[in-house]
Amino acid sequence: DTAVSQTPKYLVTQMGNDKSIKCEQNLGHDTMYWYKQDSKKFLKIMFSYNNKELIINETVPNRFSPKSPDKAHLNLHINSLELGDSAVYFCASTRLGGELFFGEGSRLTVL
Amino acid sequence: AQSVTQLGSHVSVSEGALVLLRCNYSSSVPPYLFWYVQYPNQGLQLLLKYTSAATLVKGINGFEAEFKKSETSFHLTKPSAHMSDAAEYFCAVSTSGNTPLVFGKGTRLSVIA
Repeated sequence: DTAVSQTPKYLVTQMGNDKSIKCEQNLGHDTMYWYKQDSKKFLKIMFSYNNKELIINETVPNRFSPKSPDKAHLNLHINSLELGDSAVYFCASTRLGGELFFGEGSRLTVL
Repeated sequence: AQSVTQLGSHVSVSEGALVLLRCNYSSSVPPYLFWYVQYPNQGLQLLLKYTSAATLVKGINGFEAEFKKSETSFHLTKPSAHMSDAAEYFCAVSTSGNTPLVFGKGTRLSVIA
């Protein structure tokens, strides 16, 4: 059973399109995150949710909108995709004070 | 705000040689420190963590790290490199259970036969 699962694993799309990435965790964790990993492997936090509530919203364009229907799910919707949005997006979850558990990533390529 | 600096974006060692990956942190309060490993096309996996207990922390796959407050360091070591250790390694810091991890820029480890 995968602890943190993301779908899809790969997305290839045209500039201007809208896309979504879904994330689910079966660890019973209260907090979930979206991280972006760029082509140089740098990981940067985008959003954090705790029990369905937005806790952290870093300086991310408002074309990115996270949604958490329940504490086991955190989805990421991206509007009007741009070339610079190409990256690997990682979902992660944690119990308070614990380490992060990561999904396998969703590689987004914008053409 | 906390931060992490990983010295060396790429480290290359021979199989069987010592692995040393360097990490220095900056934090105004006692930190929680982590090392993660990322294999190609995979997510990040926890190697080990320091959360104010023993300063020498043992992790998976024979890795260990030592917390040195005076040097603000948390270097990762392994006595003998194996080909399967080739991966990207990330050091990360947080200041409490409520703050998200801040990652260093990563160090790519290559192991030469």
